[in-house]
Amino acid sequence: EVQLVQSGAEVRKPGESLKISCKGSGYTFTGYWIAWVRQIPGKGLEWMGVIYPGDSDTRYSPSFQGQVTISADKSISTAYLQWNNLKASDTAMYFCARPRQYGSSYDAFDIWGQGTMVTVSS
Amino acid sequence: DIQMTQSPSSLSASVGDTVTITCRTSQSISIYLNWYQQKPGKAPKLLMHVASTLQSGVPSRFSGSGSGTDFTLTISSLQPEDFATYFCQQSYNSPHTFGQGTKLEIK
Repeated sequence: EVQLVQSGAEVRKPGESLKISCKGSGYTFTGYWIAWVRQIPGKGLEWMGVIYPGDSDTRYSPSFQGQVTISADKSISTAYLQWNNLKASDTAMYFCARPRQYGSSYDAFDIWGQGTMVTVSS
Repeated sequence: DIQMTQSPSSLSASVGDTVTITCRTSQSISIYLNWYQQKPGKAPKLLMHVASTLQSGVPSRFSGSGSGTDFTLTISSLQPEDFATYFCQQSYNSPHTFGQGTKLEIK
């Protein structure tokens, strides 16, 4: 079964660092882009950026460039989303997602992780 | 960034009704428009890609149309499980922006 499994919910204080993960299985991890999508509670979906685990090519939305770091470790089929200086406004559900087609970044997401809730509060 | 405008933002309908949700983009995106359904506490589910291609396993009461800047998602003969929030997304240009969502509620 093709799936993305994300790490569990996190609670941090403003200014702290955090790295959440998304592990792919059931498919060739290095051949598909992985995207990160933010959803603030009760709000819409925001495309944050994508990474191609095969060569670590990474692209960010201008809204998130410099605010987060996307990375991947192909040896363990895992993508990451990292913050170095969390803010209360980072409180949200974060989803990883995989496009339908091998090698394509310009495609719909047919596989989604279950989401990781990040709460930033003093 | 390409701006996405979905309408309506909310919609009330009854089981058996037909409803249409519209998505308009700030520039032409050819047919690179996708539709997702999201239920509370769950990840989005892909319904339609490249405007009118039904994702495998999605019931045929869902249909999509459009090209350029104007797109629609139509749900015929609404079923109880269709009451959810629907999002459009363009995959033409990075960042692949989403619409703000349409919440479909039971009347």
